[in-house]
Amino acid sequence: NAGVTQTPKFRVLKTGQSMTLLCAQDMNHEYMYWYRQDPGMGLRLIHYSVGEGTTAKGEVPDGYNVSRLKKQNFLLGLESAAPSQTSVYFCASSLWRSTDTQYFGPGTRLTVL
Amino acid sequence: AQSVTQLGSHVSVSEGALVLLRCNYSSSVPPYLFWYVQYPNQGLQLLLKYTTGATLVKGINGFEAEFKKSETSFHLTKPSAHMSDAAEYFCAVSPPGANSKLTFGKGITLSVRP
Repeated sequence: NAGVTQTPKFRVLKTGQSMTLLCAQDMNHEYMYWYRQDPGMGLRLIHYSVGEGTTAKGEVPDGYNVSRLKKQNFLLGLESAAPSQTSVYFCASSLWRSTDTQYFGPGTRLTVL
Repeated sequence: AQSVTQLGSHVSVSEGALVLLRCNYSSSVPPYLFWYVQYPNQGLQLLLKYTTGATLVKGINGFEAEFKKSETSFHLTKPSAHMSDAAEYFCAVSPPGANSKLTFGKGITLSVRP
């Protein structure tokens, strides 16, 4: 049981480049989330999904898109990266609702130059 | 809307000393409350949570927290700190409800001195 995995672990982009972060969970959870963590700001919710084929905006969705074509995968895309998107990105999943225990992946450290 | 306040960004204690990490919340309805811990270079994991019922909640690794409605607080304590407790701790709040979202505090870094 791998839990929640994230790919890649590290990435450096130039301003304007695009990339996709992949999150996978093997716990058959319905809910999945993407957060960003910045120093002194805690975790902020970017987008989330309440089931396969669904997505919704969180607190800081601008500049990001997501897709959940399969229940076990949740993709986060940056179409045109900006330095303000330099951050650590965490994926999480929970069984039935946001207030169930959220299980987090190890994170992706993204630097945009 | 709900919010969480974790005063200070860093707490340092000696090994064996009491750990007290403070969390105050603001919520228009009785909230669900959580403490998550993040060890270096890892994702977050749940320490404990309060939903309903007993206001003193026990979690993993000897931690506990007490929901005090009159003080709008959910402080995290551990009687005796261990070196392995060094980590970042996040308090989070959510209104009850299936689609309610967690709002995280800014986090507190706990250092444990030998």
